[in-house]
Amino acid sequence: EVQLVESGGGLVQPGGSLRLSCAASGFTFSSYWMSWVRQAPGKGLEWVANIKQDGSEKYYVDSVKGRFTISRDNAKNSLYLQMNSLRAEDTAVYYCARDIAAAGTRNFDYWGQGTLVTVSS
Amino acid sequence: SYVLTQPPSVSVAPGKTARITCGGNNIGSKSVHWYQQKPGQAPVLVIYYDSDRPSGIPERFSGSNSGNTATLTISRVEAGDEADYYCQVWDSSSDHREVFGGGTKLTVL
Repeated sequence: EVQLVESGGGLVQPGGSLRLSCAASGFTFSSYWMSWVRQAPGKGLEWVANIKQDGSEKYYVDSVKGRFTISRDNAKNSLYLQMNSLRAEDTAVYYCARDIAAAGTRNFDYWGQGTLVTVSS
Repeated sequence: SYVLTQPPSVSVAPGKTARITCGGNNIGSKSVHWYQQKPGQAPVLVIYYDSDRPSGIPERFSGSNSGNTATLTISRVEAGDEADYYCQVWDSSSDHREVFGGGTKLTVL
């Protein structure tokens, strides 16, 4: 059974940092692209970043470029999101999702339950 | 960047058919995926590649995509279908961006 379990969320002051983790199990982690998707309170879904199987390609939404870094450790079946210079608008539930890359398209077939990040003084 | 437009809300009586649209420039040339999200839960993929259903998703869920509009159709709507629904595409021309629509709240009357 595919499982994705996020951790690391919490309350942080503006300008602070936080590192999210996602522990994957039930599939060959190193064979899949992975993504972080967030959802601000009462708002819709927003893709944040993704990373290729071997970590050689990473992409980000414009609003987090230069502040967030996605990474992975295939030996530990884990995905990470290092978030620096956090802003109030980064407040959201952050989901880890398995990213299915096929010819000309992508979708998310499995999601974790999410971890809440609150940026507030 | 590519924009997907969904109606904020759709209402339907139980047993009837609900149609949720997702508009985008020439969206028919892209593969569209749909997610269902119930309150307090993670999203669940219900349609991928325009019209395919993952295992475990009822046949009542179907999808189509042509021109500038993709549509998620839910037949014989049940109370348990009440949820937010999001469409999603991959914008390969824009830094590998994965784009979501704004979401549609389906209310079962």
